[in-house]
Amino acid sequence: EAQVTQNPRYLITVTGKKLTVTCSQNMNHEYMSWYRQDPGLGLRQIYYSMNVEVTDKGDVPEGYKVSRKEKRNFPLILESPSPNQTSLYFCASSLGRDPAPGANVLTFGAGSRLTVL
Amino acid sequence: AQTVTQSQPEMSVQEAETVTLSCTYDTSESDYYLFWYKQPPSRQMILVIRQEAYKQQNATENRFSVNFQKAAKSFSLKISDSQLGDAAMYFCAYKTSYDKVIFGPGTSLSVIP
Repeated sequence: EAQVTQNPRYLITVTGKKLTVTCSQNMNHEYMSWYRQDPGLGLRQIYYSMNVEVTDKGDVPEGYKVSRKEKRNFPLILESPSPNQTSLYFCASSLGRDPAPGANVLTFGAGSRLTVL
Repeated sequence: AQTVTQSQPEMSVQEAETVTLSCTYDTSESDYYLFWYKQPPSRQMILVIRQEAYKQQNATENRFSVNFQKAAKSFSLKISDSQLGDAAMYFCAYKTSYDKVIFGPGTSLSVIP
């Protein structure tokens, strides 16, 4: 089944304890991206990647790191989490700039609920 | 900077009736993509409909259609024959030519039996 898999789905952690949220897709997609969802703000893009070793900042990159060493994986790293990073996080992927219809449509993971105490 | 505005935080519709959700965006680009995504209580993000800015024809997917007004930078979603399963949060989204994606704040749609 074509899908984007995020782990963990739920996590409660404490301020300053480094954590990684993994994201993996099995569709050979070029484009991958991370979002955080907060009430009243919709989804805000954190980072995105058009290809291996190519990453760019979204609207809210502060406090986050990403890497794209393999095409299928795009982990989100919180080096020193703070309570304002408590949020629902989504990873998503798409074909990218392929001219085929629907190439830009995002396929989302199920979301990861992160609480930082 | 590009922005996406959804001016209706909450909407309601009677089952079987029609409802229109509004979305406006701000951009100086001419080539971009627009989307409506649905998020039911399960939190899963599901594509409802997409529109390429270079296409003048409004996109349609079964009971869902859009009114794309490029000059006015407006992209409204019309849901016909509303069903209970349409109750969800709806997000309008814009994808720039350089691959950044901006979402609106969302509209919560309730369907009244």
